[in-house]
Amino acid sequence: GESVGLHLPTLSVQEGDNSIINCAYSNSASDYFIWYKQESGKGPQFIIDIRSNMDKRQGQRVTVLLNKTVKHLSLQIAATQPGDSAVYFCAEIFNTGGFKTIFGAGTRLFVKA
Amino acid sequence: DVKVTQSSRYLVKRTGEKVFLECVQDMDHENMFWYRQDPGLGLRLIYFSYDVKMKEKGDIPEGYSVSREKKERFSLILESASTNQTSMYLCASSLWGAGVQETQYFGPGTRLLVL
Repeated sequence: GESVGLHLPTLSVQEGDNSIINCAYSNSASDYFIWYKQESGKGPQFIIDIRSNMDKRQGQRVTVLLNKTVKHLSLQIAATQPGDSAVYFCAEIFNTGGFKTIFGAGTRLFVKA
Repeated sequence: DVKVTQSSRYLVKRTGEKVFLECVQDMDHENMFWYRQDPGLGLRLIYFSYDVKMKEKGDIPEGYSVSREKKERFSLILESASTNQTSMYLCASSLWGAGVQETQYFGPGTRLLVL
């Protein structure tokens, strides 16, 4: 059947503000997490990763926070720029005898100039 | 930098046609993946391969097959295209994950329209 009404969550922020994008993951045994950025018409691009033995990791203008108690991951982007406009999605990776990756559906970030 | 390329950015095919999507990576990665991406559904794994001539079904393999004759090349085949296979198809590659968590590097995608 036809899929109706499936829209990505959207976050709109003013240029220069900080952005926080959230992700709930599913498997408490997941031991590695990645945030990807996907710009329109392009494939996903790795941004930052974090292992399950960490609760915070910082990159250039980005920070990932991991709360294993509630299975929640967030991506913080400082001083958001128009070039940050994209879909962001998280991925969780766990070992089932081989590594399996599950991707979130994504959040669309829209930066207003 | 890892480079993953896909043979076409856009394809238009008719129902019942056989469709080949090609993916090539230049970093000697063992693992290669084919996903489809549909609005609101995220990435769904169709097939993956961890070595030449090896393949494993992903979450949605029905209606698809794959071929990995060379390490750098992974092909996705739609034997008889149907309208519900209209989608964005993404190829990815990664290093072998034995004891090493794998970051997947993606190609630009192929947007397929089946009429």
